[in-house]
Amino acid sequence: NAGVTQTPKFQVLKTGQSMTLQCAQDMNHEYMSWYRQDPGMGLRLIHYSVGAGITDQGEVPNGYNVSRSTTEDFPLRLLSAAPSQTSVYFCASSYRQGKGRYGYTFGSGTRLTVV
Amino acid sequence: SQQGEEDPQALSIQEGENATMNCSYKTSINNLQWYRQNSGRGLVHLILIRSNEREKHSGRLRVTLDTSKKSSSLLITASRAADTASYFCATDGNFGNEKLTFGTGTRLTIIP
Repeated sequence: NAGVTQTPKFQVLKTGQSMTLQCAQDMNHEYMSWYRQDPGMGLRLIHYSVGAGITDQGEVPNGYNVSRSTTEDFPLRLLSAAPSQTSVYFCASSYRQGKGRYGYTFGSGTRLTVV
Repeated sequence: SQQGEEDPQALSIQEGENATMNCSYKTSINNLQWYRQNSGRGLVHLILIRSNEREKHSGRLRVTLDTSKKSSSLLITASRAADTASYFCATDGNFGNEKLTFGTGTRLTIIP
């Protein structure tokens, strides 16, 4: 049982490049989310999904796309990287409400630097 | 905007003492959760308290919730060096568990 797996752990991009951050969970969780964490800002929600085929925007969605074709995978795409997207990105998953277990399981993060 | 705000931003105490951190939030909630983050790592879920609960315990952790004041507190008793971490509260903003809003965190340092 691996939990939430994020790849890569570190990435350096040039301004304007695109890339995909991968996230996979093996707990059959319905809910998955992407957060970014910046110093002094806590975690801010980028996009989230309540199930396969369903995604929605969070607090800071601009410059990012997501898709949820399977329950297990929730990739985050940076369309055209900008220095303002330098951050640590976390993927998280959870059961939906009503199953009695609510806490989110987080991946170990991807540290992204855009130069 | 941040739903939860933790107070204090940083806290240093001697090992064995109790640590208390507070969280205030803005809108109604179904539940409030506390997470711990060790330096450079992902967040770990500690405890969840529902809006109809006032207090909850888990090991050395005690969480209280006052919905009339829109605030919560996390008490860690008999602190240990391994408790050194950042602690975040998170609320669901009445959306259920589909998305959480996190506060800015309290950085706790336990001095051996």
